[in-house]
Amino acid sequence: NAGVTQTPKFQVLKTGQSMTLQCAQDMNHEYMSWYRQDPGMGLRLIHYSVGAGITDQGEVPNGYNVSRSTTEDFPLRLLSAAPSQTSVYFCASSLDRSYEQYFGPGTRLTVT
Amino acid sequence: GNSVTQMEGPVTLSEEAFLTINCTYTATGYPSLFWYVQYPGEGLQLLLKATKADDKGSNKGFEATYRKETTSFHLEKGSVQVSDSAVYFCALRGNAGNMLTFGGGTRLMVKP
Repeated sequence: NAGVTQTPKFQVLKTGQSMTLQCAQDMNHEYMSWYRQDPGMGLRLIHYSVGAGITDQGEVPNGYNVSRSTTEDFPLRLLSAAPSQTSVYFCASSLDRSYEQYFGPGTRLTVT
Repeated sequence: GNSVTQMEGPVTLSEEAFLTINCTYTATGYPSLFWYVQYPGEGLQLLLKATKADDKGSNKGFEATYRKETTSFHLEKGSVQVSDSAVYFCALRGNAGNMLTFGGGTRLMVKP
């Protein structure tokens, strides 16, 4: 049981490039979410999903896309990276809305 | 909207000292309150939680009491260890679902 896994661990992008951050969980959790962590600001919710085929926006969704084609995977896409998207990104999952969230180890992204 | 305010760090203590990290919140209704811990290079882990007023959450020697009259959820530990060095996040979940609102995080450094 690997829990929540994220790849890559580190990534450097140039402004305007696109990339996908991968997130997978093997706990059969319905609820998955993406956060970004910035110094002094805690974690802010980007997008979330309550099940396969269903996604919704969080607090800071601009510049990011998500999809949920399977229960296990919840990739986060940056369509045109900007320096403001330099951050640490965490994926989380839980059994449903009211249960404890389990966090992945994070992806540190730098956009130059 | 919901918000969480916690004391800025870093907090530097000697081993076996008493720890308090303050956390206050603003929310409508009756939120659930959480403390998460992030060890270096890792994702967040749930440390403790409280779901209603006057509840006390506890784990690994840490405690926090849900005080609705003061809208607070301060984290305490009677005797810290070097291994407690980490970043601590206070968070709340409102009645609407599983969206967590985080405070900015407090870094704790414990010196031997």
